[in-house]
Amino acid sequence: DAGVTQSPTHLIKTRGQQVTLRCSPISGHKSVSWYQQVLGQGPQFIFQYYEKEERGRGNFPDRFSARQFPNYSSELNVNALLLGDSALYLCASSLEGREPYNEQFFGPGTRLTVL
Amino acid sequence: AQSVTQLGSHVSVSEGALVLLRCNYSSSVPPYLFWYVQYPNQGLQLLLKYTSAATLVKGINGFEAEFKKSETSFHLTKPSAHMSDAAEYFCAVLRSGNQGGKLIFGQGTELSVKP
Repeated sequence: DAGVTQSPTHLIKTRGQQVTLRCSPISGHKSVSWYQQVLGQGPQFIFQYYEKEERGRGNFPDRFSARQFPNYSSELNVNALLLGDSALYLCASSLEGREPYNEQFFGPGTRLTVL
Repeated sequence: AQSVTQLGSHVSVSEGALVLLRCNYSSSVPPYLFWYVQYPNQGLQLLLKYTSAATLVKGINGFEAEFKKSETSFHLTKPSAHMSDAAEYFCAVLRSGNQGGKLIFGQGTELSVKP
């Protein structure tokens, strides 16, 4: 079975540009979460989506936005890129977002470099 | 607020030696706790999880962790290190009241295994 897939794998942008990252969850999973992992740190929660609705948002500026599509895939958008946005962006999917606990399965990530 | 603290950003052991990676948590309610492993240029893989069942949790690749409420700890151990265990390890707690999405990660511990 295919795991969580993310595209692109690597991306180089310049300051001020906009970027869109994509994630396809495991088949049957309805919840997608996004995390930012800056080099040398643990991942930080950005968003969770379930059934196309935002379920949670981390402490990130409004330059970060996301959406989930009817097929449960998701996009993360970042506007007006800053050098500090350079990081590995991880997507995780889980079976359902309603339970107290659902195991999250992570994709390989998209490495974003902002110059 | 829930949080985790990983003691030691880098641990080095010899092949065949005991692996001990430390994690302490802060939570006002019984927590859900996790250990993830991250190999270079890859996403996160779940090693094991504590979800209020048995306090000694066995995971993949010979790893286990013991939940100790009195010490607010969830240390990861493996009796005998293998070269393939060299990676970054993250302890995480699921935020209370969450409907499935937000994992809060520690800063990570890099494990090196010497031949």
